[in-house]
Amino acid sequence: AQKITQTQPGMFVQEKEAVTLDCTYDTSDQSYGLFWYKQPSSGEMIFLIYQGSYDEQNATEGRYSLNFQKARKSANLVISASQLGDSAMYFCAMREGLYRDDKIIFGKGTRLHILP
Amino acid sequence: NAGVTQTPKFRILKIGQSMTLQCAQDMNHNYMYWYRQDPGMGLKLIYYSVGAGITDKGEVPNGYNVSRSTTEDFPLRLELAAPSQTSVYFCASSYTDFTSTDTQYFGPGTRLTVL
Repeated sequence: AQKITQTQPGMFVQEKEAVTLDCTYDTSDQSYGLFWYKQPSSGEMIFLIYQGSYDEQNATEGRYSLNFQKARKSANLVISASQLGDSAMYFCAMREGLYRDDKIIFGKGTRLHILP
Repeated sequence: NAGVTQTPKFRILKIGQSMTLQCAQDMNHNYMYWYRQDPGMGLKLIYYSVGAGITDKGEVPNGYNVSRSTTEDFPLRLELAAPSQTSVYFCASSYTDFTSTDTQYFGPGTRLTVL
């Protein structure tokens, strides 16, 4: 079974609208971390936001927020007031356990297109 | 800080050739990673290192070797290039202070084509 599932291969959103990128995960660990990365067309990977499994509040970083629903094993990324520069590939990722040598597992990504 | 740097940006190899992908970071991170990204796919971990002199295999290590003689550098070696190794390679680094927040910082990637 896939550990990280991103069901939306591509999305088109009008500029200034909010957008939600879906991510579900599968783990039996109690301790884990969830990440979102952005990959623009230039190729580099940019860290956006992190949520720990014990964090009670949803993580927020500027226009990014993570809608963490632990019981549903869901970690959706919400981008408010989308901008043209948000057009990129977005990856959800998970690290199981607290130990640093646990690996981060990435989903297949969602390509977001922001329309002017 | 330059962050994580990778060289070269692009490379074309013939089958059977060897090459080393360079990766360096100037953030004094103890953990470093190599990933590959195939078209339309997520990242897959090749090798990682928890500190100088210590490396371990990831999900897809076959056909690759790594070394970590210094904290800053983590080169990835392809000994006998095969078409299946055509991919974009990302190096990343992170610092652990034994909290659960462990952001990985990525290099710009190396696009490798094996013909």
